[in-house]
Amino acid sequence: EAGVTQFPSHSVIEKGQTVTLRCDPISGHDNLYWYRRVMGKEIKFLLHFVKESKQDESGMPNNRFLAERTGGTYSTLKVQPAELEDSGVYFCASSQRGASLHTDTQYFGPGTRLTVL
Amino acid sequence: AQTVTQSQPEMSVQEAETVTLSCTYDTSESDYYLFWYKQPPSRQMILVIRQEAYKQQNATENRFSVNFQKAAKSFSLKISDSQLGDAAMYFCAYRRGFWQGGKLIFGQGTELSVKP
Repeated sequence: EAGVTQFPSHSVIEKGQTVTLRCDPISGHDNLYWYRRVMGKEIKFLLHFVKESKQDESGMPNNRFLAERTGGTYSTLKVQPAELEDSGVYFCASSQRGASLHTDTQYFGPGTRLTVL
Repeated sequence: AQTVTQSQPEMSVQEAETVTLSCTYDTSESDYYLFWYKQPPSRQMILVIRQEAYKQQNATENRFSVNFQKAAKSFSLKISDSQLGDAAMYFCAYRRGFWQGGKLIFGQGTELSVKP
């Protein structure tokens, strides 16, 4: 079974440019989460999809960030325009939609390292 | 709001020895879950162990065990018989009760090195 994949693995852009990160969850996982880790600090939650619906987007920092999950499969996270403080590692995680915590385990992707110059 | 604190940015252990990583958290809720995740260098983060707050018994997974002190809001991870493959960044995480949403709240991480 393929794990969570993210693309690209690294992205270097200049301030003001646009970047789109992609996450492909494990097949059949309804839940998809985005997190990011900035400058060696703690990993922070950004948002949570259940299928194609945004369940919780309380962690999105501002309106420069736009997440989508069309069709309830893969998800994209667009940053437009990028700022210096957006640099960090963006993680995606997915989980089944189950009736117990064991089926709700979040499986993480390898992350996308974003550098804004 | 819930917070998670890992006060040890770096730890080191000799191969085959035991090491304990500390984690404290703050919450006013009674129903929650706690996790330890491991991220090896250049690899994906994986779940090491989980603990339901309503369970008094400490969780154990092979060489990994936790010391869950609910009153003290402490959740430490003990790694016994440390192996070179245990070298990684370890994150402690909190999750609210099952029906309260799935987001994880992480600590700052502890980087563990294992010396041969």
